[in-house]
Amino acid sequence: GNSVTQMEGPVTLSEEAFLTINCTYTATGYPSLFWYVQYPGEGLQLLLKATKADDKGSNKGFEATYRKETTSFHLEKGSVQVSDSAVYFCALVFPGFQKLVFGTGTRLLVSP
Amino acid sequence: NAGVTQTPKFQVLKTGQSMTLQCAQDMNHNSMYWYRQDPGMGLRLIYYSASEGTTDKGEVPNGYNVSRLNKREFSLRLESAAPSQTSVYFCASSGTSGRAGGTDTQYFGPGTRLTVL
Repeated sequence: GNSVTQMEGPVTLSEEAFLTINCTYTATGYPSLFWYVQYPGEGLQLLLKATKADDKGSNKGFEATYRKETTSFHLEKGSVQVSDSAVYFCALVFPGFQKLVFGTGTRLLVSP
Repeated sequence: NAGVTQTPKFQVLKTGQSMTLQCAQDMNHNSMYWYRQDPGMGLRLIYYSASEGTTDKGEVPNGYNVSRLNKREFSLRLESAAPSQTSVYFCASSGTSGRAGGTDTQYFGPGTRLTVL
């Protein structure tokens, strides 16, 4: 079946450090890929997305590139801030279906 | 423009009690969803409604029922709550109605934290 695997958290970084959160997927076909972010006490918000191979999604300094050859969609940011502390979810959806398949989430903690 | 709203924010039930979680969206979206979020398991789809008048089961539908009251509102009902239904429940909506190629972003509400004793 279709699935998304994310690195276990928490990821603990100091402010201005480089961030990578790994995401790989298993799917037959070519899904669209998403990163959602959940701040404490809130619902999920779309952070970025990519709909085809080699697309790069970007938002708020975060980037992720759709790599079909490695079935990956790793999230990166060059310099994290304390305000980036949140839980990050990788997800996929197939054209013709609307059911998002989520990874288990990765908690990011950024200290001053 | 409030987006997706959910009520209540918190609820405590005893085993066997029933309740309805309410969700409304003001974005004129066709599709709506109910998820539950449990530690270490991400979000799992309970039910969804691709368009007004239709509902379908998701990954974990047992113990729940839904009603798509109109285009704006999609409610989730627990007929006889069980401790295993203790979770955070999220409602979401998106713009397409399920046709091929639809990959619209899902917009989430703030969640309802439910505890069943």
